[in-house]
Amino acid sequence: NAGVMQNPRHLVRRRGQEARLRCSPMKGHSHVYWYRQLPEEGLKFMVYLQKENIIDESGMPKERFSAEFPKEGPSILRIQQVVRGDSAAYFCASSPTAGGSNEKLFFGSGTQLSVL
Amino acid sequence: GESVGLHLPTLSVQEGDNSIINCAYSNSASDYFIWYKQESGKGPQFIIDIRSNMDKRQGQRVTVLLNKTVKHLSLQIAATQPGDSAVYFCAEILLGGSEKLVFGKGTKLTVNP
Repeated sequence: NAGVMQNPRHLVRRRGQEARLRCSPMKGHSHVYWYRQLPEEGLKFMVYLQKENIIDESGMPKERFSAEFPKEGPSILRIQQVVRGDSAAYFCASSPTAGGSNEKLFFGSGTQLSVL
Repeated sequence: GESVGLHLPTLSVQEGDNSIINCAYSNSASDYFIWYKQESGKGPQFIIDIRSNMDKRQGQRVTVLLNKTVKHLSLQIAATQPGDSAVYFCAEILLGGSEKLVFGKGTKLTVNP
């Protein structure tokens, strides 16, 4: 049973380009969380999705950022017109049930986004 | 700002010693806490959790202590090994909604041989 898969591991973009980060949850998991981590910082919640639904996007910037988790395929975190401040590690976590209140929340290895 | 923070950003110990990593939280309504270990280039890995109705919980070589009076959480690692070198984060669950995790800044543990 493969873990949470994120790709690409590293993504380099120039300012103004679009970044698309993918997350395939563990098999059987229908809850996906996205977190952003700046260097020397903890992870900050961005968005929580279930299949075809955004449940909580309170941590997501209002502009340029969007997320989806379609019925089929991976969850996508999309950042339009990237700026240098978007450079960070983006982690996805999945769970078979709602919430992270147990050890069933599994994290992927992250996508390191570098904006030139 | 974040409701979860850490006292020390770095901790260096000798192999075989016990390590204590501290965490302060500010949201007295939080009722669930988790310690994660993050190795370089990897995602956080669950270590141990504790609910607010407990003050101590033990795992394999790790113990978490919760002091609700002063809103303090600690992770104790017994007989620290080089493989324990990593950044350790505490996280709390905010009540209601999506139960999203709120992470502290992290403590970097270095184990010297």
